[in-house]
Amino acid sequence: DGGITQSPKYLFRKEGQNVTLSCEQNLNHDAMYWYRQDPGQGLRLIYYSQIVNDFQKGDIAEGYSVSREKKESFPLTVTSAQKNPTAFYLCASSRGRGLGGELFFGEGSRLTVL
Amino acid sequence: QKEVEQDPGPLSVPEGAIVSLNCTYSNSAFQYFMWYRQYSRKGPELLMYTYSSGNKEDGRFTAQVDKSSKYISLFIRDSQPSDSATYLCAMSARGGANNLFFGTGTRLTVIP
Repeated sequence: DGGITQSPKYLFRKEGQNVTLSCEQNLNHDAMYWYRQDPGQGLRLIYYSQIVNDFQKGDIAEGYSVSREKKESFPLTVTSAQKNPTAFYLCASSRGRGLGGELFFGEGSRLTVL
Repeated sequence: QKEVEQDPGPLSVPEGAIVSLNCTYSNSAFQYFMWYRQYSRKGPELLMYTYSSGNKEDGRFTAQVDKSSKYISLFIRDSQPSDSATYLCAMSARGGANNLFFGTGTRLTVIP
């Protein structure tokens, strides 16, 4: 079955540690995205990539980093510079630019900083 | 003022009821409108997509856009317990999934 796989589903981190969230897709989509979801707020875009070896900052990129070395993979690193990293992180992909906004989401990774 | 406003609910209805979910927005340039459904501890999935004004129907779901009032709605007829989820509206001006604005989501529970 085609889809997006995020891992781990749950992750605990101590303050000051970097952590990397995995996102893999087998939909052959060009574009991939990372969103953050917090209670009482809409999804906020962290980073996106429309093509391999290229990515752009979204609205809340500070304290995060990404890479796009392969079409299928778009890992997100939450660095110790992110002031409030506890959140639900969603990876998504789209055909081309995703005209019309059709995003295909993974099941999310919940990060808790202790 | 937020770009997109959505009542977070929660909203509880009996099975079989008609549900109305709404979002308002401030940017008159928005012309792509979407509704996503998100089950608990899952990622959202696209439910309905509408370009510009008008209505779109898909089974028990109807999406309505009123650009003059900057107001969009999602109606669910004959609601089922399986419709219990959080419904997110999303919209953009230029198309492209990298410039979507999401509402906060409305949590719906359909009681058997």
